[in-house]
Order: sequence, then structure tokens, then C-alpha cells
Amino acid sequence: DAGVTQSPTHLIKTRGQHVTLRCSPISGHKSVSWYQQVLGQGPQFIFQYYEKEERGRGNFPDRFSARQFPNYSSELNVNALLLGDSALYLCASSSGSRNYGYTFGSGTRLTVV
Amino acid sequence: ELKVEQNPLFLSMQEGKNYTIYCNYSTTSDRLYWYRQDPGKSLESLFVLLSNGAVKQEGRLMASLDTKARLSTLHITAAVHDLSATYFCAVVLTTGTASKLTFGTGTRLQVTL
Repeated sequence: DAGVTQSPTHLIKTRGQHVTLRCSPISGHKSVSWYQQVLGQGPQFIFQYYEKEERGRGNFPDRFSARQFPNYSSELNVNALLLGDSALYLCASSSGSRNYGYTFGSGTRLTVV
Repeated sequence: ELKVEQNPLFLSMQEGKNYTIYCNYSTTSDRLYWYRQDPGKSLESLFVLLSNGAVKQEGRLMASLDTKARLSTLHITAAVHDLSATYFCAVVLTTGTASKLTFGTGTRLQVTL
């Protein structure tokens, strides 16, 4: 059974550009969350989606947006990239039940130059 | 706002020694997670602690949770080099329909021969 799949693995973008990151959750999991991890720090919550609806949003600017598709996969979009957006972006998959754990994908390493 | 603090931030220990990493959090929560992260890699789930007094063990690692003290510990017994990594605790905060993980600062563990 496949785990959480993220693509692409690595990405280099120029300031001002736009980027789309993709995540496929574990089969049967309906909740996807996105986290940003800057080098040397713990991950920071960006979004949570459950059953295609946004359930939570972290303290990130409106340049960050996301959506979840009927098959529960998700996209994270970042507009007008800044150097400070350089980070590891992690997608977490969960079933949504009371005792659930969060399984993280391998992440997308975004470098903004 | 939920704050999660870990100490120490960096731990250098010899193989065969024992040590404990501490995780304190500021707001009531009934779920706490421990993750391991190797350099440049994603987060690997170690433990999910769901209730007060919960204790879980896997190999040389043992985690416990005291919800009244808002404290979790990760105890390392007879450390080996393969345990070298960064360890994060993460606490769930549920507000309305959203659940998000708030991570600690991380503890970088280096096990030396």
C-alpha cells in the first residue's frame, strides 16, 4: 500500500514566480494537511483539508492557497514567491478518526532564488 | 496560542548512555506525537500518546505523557549511533473542525562512539 506521495521532490523557482505542490494521501485517508519547515526549525501548519473542505489555516499570507480534490489528493499553491518561502513543504495524511496518527510524505524541497 | 518547548535543543551523548528529552506544552491537549527526522528527510512517526499516563516503548526509545503537567518525555536507553537524528514532539490543537499539529523546536541528538 502506497504511503503519502508528494511531487515534485525538488524545485527551484525565481522570486515572483508561482509554484504548485502536489500530495496524494494514503488510500482511505480523507484529511490532508500542509506544513512548512524552514531549515533548522520545526514544521509550521499551513492548511488542513477534510472531505474537500478547508478546516483550518495557519498564519500564512494569502499568497498561500490550497485545495483538495474528490479523490482526496491536494495541491498547495504559492504565488509571488519570496526568498523566505524556501523550505521543505510537507504533506500529512490522516484518516480523521479519533485515534489517528499523521503520516508525512517525503516532502518537496523548494528553493527560491 | 499553543507553545511547545523541547529541551535540550542539542544533545551529544556517548553510545551506551541513557538520556531524556523533555517536551512541555502550554495548552490542554489529549494527543501528543513524537517524530524522528534524519537530515534532509521527512518525519518518521515514532509514538502517538493519547491519554494521561500513557507509556509506549519501541526498542531503545520510551515515551510517556503527563497531561496534568503538560509534559512528555522521550527516554533513550543505551544509545547507539543509529539513533542520531532530530526528534520532534508535536501536540494536537483542535479548534472547531480543525486539528493541527504544533511542533516543538526539535532536539538534535548526536550519538558518538
